[in-house]
Amino acid sequence: AQSVTQPDIHITVSEGASLELRCNYSYGATPYLFWYVQSPGQGLQLLLKYFSGDTLVQGIKGFEAEFKRSQSSFNLRKPSVHWSDAAEYFCAVGGGYGGSQGNLIFGKGTKLSVKP
Amino acid sequence: SQTIHQWPATLVQPVGSPLSLECTVEGTSNPNLYWYRQAAGRGLQLLFYSVGIGQISSEVPQNLSASRPQDRQFILSSKKLLLSDSGFYLCAWRGGLGYYEQYFGPGTRLTVT
Repeated sequence: AQSVTQPDIHITVSEGASLELRCNYSYGATPYLFWYVQSPGQGLQLLLKYFSGDTLVQGIKGFEAEFKRSQSSFNLRKPSVHWSDAAEYFCAVGGGYGGSQGNLIFGKGTKLSVKP
Repeated sequence: SQTIHQWPATLVQPVGSPLSLECTVEGTSNPNLYWYRQAAGRGLQLLFYSVGIGQISSEVPQNLSASRPQDRQFILSSKKLLLSDSGFYLCAWRGGLGYYEQYFGPGTRLTVT
């Protein structure tokens, strides 16, 4: 079955500390992978995406993610967290274009809190 | 550039009343359109998607329906709301061939009382 697992429901880090949010996926075909961020009461904003090529992808707001096929993982990282990064983060996987193949499967999200 | 609008932003409706949420996309043509519901602690649930005018696919049986009367307009409706319909409703769009990411609107907070 196709699924996305974000093992951490809630993470708290200190401002300036590094961050890694975990994402594992199960997908029968070549996956297209995404990270989204959602501030309270807002829609989701695309942080970064991976389709193919270099397994380390850079996104907006200083985030990066690394695709590891052998581990079925796509973890999100940031070297130094800012207070404004406090939000909920969603990992998603999709498989292509055309009908339901274009639909994304989302993880349940990881809520990030930042301590001053 | 492309933008996506949703309205209303918030809505409080009594049980048994009808519902109409609207989503429009600007700056693109023939997008794939999506309706999601987000309940607290339950992530995103895909409700409907549409690949073209009049073409609606439902992901889960429920009290809601969707329509796409125009290329860039997507409407979520209900004839009689249930308490369980409360939640945060998000509309999203995706571009044409070769584009796989979805872009989300600002959402509508629906409270059924």
